[in-house]
Amino acid sequence: QQPVQSPQAVILREGEDAVINCSSSKALYSVHWYRQKHGEAPVFLMILLKGGEQKGHEKISASFNEKKQQSSLYLTASQLSYSGTYFCGTGHLYSGAGSYQLTFGKGTKLSVIP
Amino acid sequence: NAGVTQTPKFQVLKTGQSMTLQCAQDMNHNSMYWYRQDPGMGLRLIYYSASEGTTDKGEVPNGYNVSRLNKREFSLRLESAAPSQTSVYFCASSTGGEQFFGPGTRLTVL
Repeated sequence: QQPVQSPQAVILREGEDAVINCSSSKALYSVHWYRQKHGEAPVFLMILLKGGEQKGHEKISASFNEKKQQSSLYLTASQLSYSGTYFCGTGHLYSGAGSYQLTFGKGTKLSVIP
Repeated sequence: NAGVTQTPKFQVLKTGQSMTLQCAQDMNHNSMYWYRQDPGMGLRLIYYSASEGTTDKGEVPNGYNVSRLNKREFSLRLESAAPSQTSVYFCASSTGGEQFFGPGTRLTVL
């Protein structure tokens, strides 16, 4: 079952902050975040594993609340390059192979304007 | 390193025709995946291969078959194309949390 992302779309001015949420009706083992620019392939941002950890990369960070079965992606001081569609994927680990089978949400379209 | 490559980039088929989408990776990854992406639907898993020699159905496998030819290559076959299979198809590979995606194949079935 697909995780639910909100909002579906958001428009920001450069320098503003945004939060994208991802929730699941099933227990989460891991949450993966990807960004896709128009006409391009998705690109990995980060993975969060169960345990409530928060990860960050420069001005993009994320949290994972396994009890609430939710994850949030935080974009601070947005830049024009942040524009794109953000997808969360809920992951289940293949035993032995070390890789994840992902179920993606429908995406959140983020537009950053000058 | 080329990463993940896909051929062809674009394809137009008539209903009932068959074709194979090719995917190859040069990162020595164990796992490979085929997704389709339709407007407003996100990425949906068609088939995956956790390791060489194994394949399993994903969320939307009907109308497709796959072959994991070797560790590098994972092909997707449409035996009898239908308009509902018009989509952008992405291949991906991984050996851990991060999946690396190919550039995609845009398929139109008339």
